[in-house]
Amino acid sequence: RKEVEQDPGPFNVPEGATVAFNCTYSNSASQSFFWYRQDCRKEPKLLMSVYSSGNEDGRFTAQLNRASQYISLLIRDSKLSDSATYLCGPSGAGSYQLTFGKGTKLSVIP
Amino acid sequence: DVKVTQSSRYLVKRTGEKVFLECVQDMDHENMFWYRQDPGLGLRLIYFSYDVKMKEKGDIPEGYSVSREKKERFSLILESASTNQTSMYLCASSSTERWDGEDEQFFGPGTRLTVL
Repeated sequence: RKEVEQDPGPFNVPEGATVAFNCTYSNSASQSFFWYRQDCRKEPKLLMSVYSSGNEDGRFTAQLNRASQYISLLIRDSKLSDSATYLCGPSGAGSYQLTFGKGTKLSVIP
Repeated sequence: DVKVTQSSRYLVKRTGEKVFLECVQDMDHENMFWYRQDPGLGLRLIYFSYDVKMKEKGDIPEGYSVSREKKERFSLILESASTNQTSMYLCASSSTERWDGEDEQFFGPGTRLTVL
């Protein structure tokens, strides 16, 4: 089983839509979870951190399900500027490493 | 504003050349990482370091070495560049301040290396 799995997409959604991505992970000892956003030919930038059950920041909500070992990212009222690749990165247990998924590509269409 | 910088945005080298990629962070972070990113393969960890002069192999260390002589600087070395090392190389750093888990990683802008 792969350590971190994400649906590669692409997800093509109209402006204003709500879209959700899932990320499953295999390391049950992971304590920290991160969603990064990566624009084309740019570096990943942190979108959201999750250390407990979830986190919300404006239009973005991350939910953690430890029992099923997945973390989701919900984007409400999608904007054209949300078009990017979203990387999921759960941590190792005390190793300071993150294991990244391959990313989910989102395209928001006018 | 936190910053991770990399020495070059674009680099073109020839097969067999020795290549140095430099990364500097100004956040006094303990941990530093080197990744490569290729289409369809995602981010893959090459090496990381959790302290000065300390290094640990990541998932794909073959053909690479690293050096960390100062806390703020982490260098990736390609001893003899090969065409299959053409890639985007990303450096990252993180702290060890949290008690309840790992801290986020901050990434540099990346170096796009082409080996001819």
